Amino acid sequence: AIQMTQSPSSLSASIGDRVTITCRTSQGIRDDLGWYQQKPGKAPKLLIYGASTLQSGVPSRFSGSGFGTDFTLTISSLQPEDFATYYCLQDYDYPLTFGGGTKVEIK
Amino acid sequence: QVQLQESGPGLVKPAETLSLTCTVSDGSVSSIGYYWTWIRQPPGKGLEWIGYVYHSGSTNYNPSLKSRVTMSIDTSKNQFSLKLSSVTAADTAVYYCARRIAVRPVYAFDFWGQGTGVTVSS
Repeated sequence: AIQMTQSPSSLSASIGDRVTITCRTSQGIRDDLGWYQQKPGKAPKLLIYGASTLQSGVPSRFSGSGFGTDFTLTISSLQPEDFATYYCLQDYDYPLTFGGGTKVEIK
Repeated sequence: QVQLQESGPGLVKPAETLSLTCTVSDGSVSSIGYYWTWIRQPPGKGLEWIGYVYHSGSTNYNPSLKSRVTMSIDTSKNQFSLKLSSVTAADTAVYYCARRIAVRPVYAFDFWGQGTGVTVSS
């Protein structure tokens, strides 16, 4: 199975901060990577697929980049509603695997 | 837009079989290019892909669970189901059903159920 290393596991940030989360895969996955946001007690929500394509309705302050084994999710200006846990998912090979998650907390 | 809703017992005894159903509305489980998926999340932990069932009935399971998992689909009821046998406390989790679109260039879980909590305990 493809291993996913997501970092950091948690971070504290202020409103307006630029936040970057990284995901590294144990083998190349082209751009078959997605990012999901999960708030407490809720199902995950798709933010980005194909490493960099923003899902319809997702604010443009979210962006993704990367190819191969190294990927990044960036929130350009953190908003109150962005405090959540973020997961990467490799969609390249079975079994599909998620990163361990990054909890974004208020500083 | 597509809605998914999980249903099933919230409490299962050890060694028994966990059975969940996902009912899909405003969308069809018979549609080509969509894989009807189960994902779980133990309390306070991350997400684990369990597997999928396609409209044809074909399946693909996580090797870590493969020996205990069975998924099926009922196109007449627009539902798909999960059975997990010989459960232990380690199977306690929130179980999500989700739709995965897999039509290049889009590969993603675009719609999710709200999740249903299952506790394994005697």
